[in-house]
Amino acid sequence: EDQVTQSPEALRLQEGESSSLNCSYTVSGLRGLFWYRQDPGKGPEFLFTLYSAGEEKEKERLKATLTKKESFLHITAPKPEDSATYLCAVQAADTGGFKTIFGAGTRLFVKA
Amino acid sequence: EADIYQTPRYLVIGTGKKITLECSQTMGHDKMYWYQQDPGMELHLIHYSYGVNSTEKGDLSSESTVSRIRTEHFPLTLESARPSHTSQYLCASSASGTDTQYFGPGTRLTVL
Repeated sequence: EDQVTQSPEALRLQEGESSSLNCSYTVSGLRGLFWYRQDPGKGPEFLFTLYSAGEEKEKERLKATLTKKESFLHITAPKPEDSATYLCAVQAADTGGFKTIFGAGTRLFVKA
Repeated sequence: EADIYQTPRYLVIGTGKKITLECSQTMGHDKMYWYQQDPGMELHLIHYSYGVNSTEKGDLSSESTVSRIRTEHFPLTLESARPSHTSQYLCASSASGTDTQYFGPGTRLTVL
C-alpha cells in the first residue's frame, strides 16, 4: 500500500539553527514527490517537485533532496517567518497523476 | 502565483441543510480536485475531475457530489449536512501535462 510518513511531527528551532525534515515513502513506482508549506487556516503552498533519486532543488533557505525511499527538506538558518507545517506528498506512476498521497506534515516553530 | 478561489471561507450550519462549496480557478487548468483535511491530519482526496463533464470519486468515501460544467468552476455539494462533515475542504487544480497542484485557501465547515 502506498504510504507517506513524515518525521518529526513537530520541530522547534531557534532562529539560525539549521535542521532537516524527513519524508519516508513507499509507492509502487514514483511519479513525483512534492513538498508544500501550509500556514494555519490556509491552503498548501507549492514548494518543490522531485522526480528521481539524486535530484535536488533549492529555494531561498530551503533545499529538498530525494532518494529511493525518502526525501529531506533542509532548512538553513531559519527565520521566524519559516514557521509553518511542511507537507510531503507522492504520486504513483500508475495513477495518471490523480492519486496524490499526503503525509500528516511536520509543524515547524522557529523562535527569534 | 496560483489563482484559485474558494467561497465561503467559513461556514457554520445546522444539521440537514444543503450546502454548496464554491471553487473557481482562472488559470485554465483542466484538472481539479477536492480534498478534506482534519486538524493535524493528512489531506484526503474526495473528488477529482479531468475536465468538463468528467468527475470521479477519490479514495476517501464522501457523501458529497461535484459537477464540472465549466473548466474554471468545480463546486462541491452536500445534500444534507451532518456533524461528521465538519472539516476543512480544500480545492486544487493542475494543468495538463504537469502534476503540480495549486490549492485554494480552503473552506472551514462546521455542522452543528
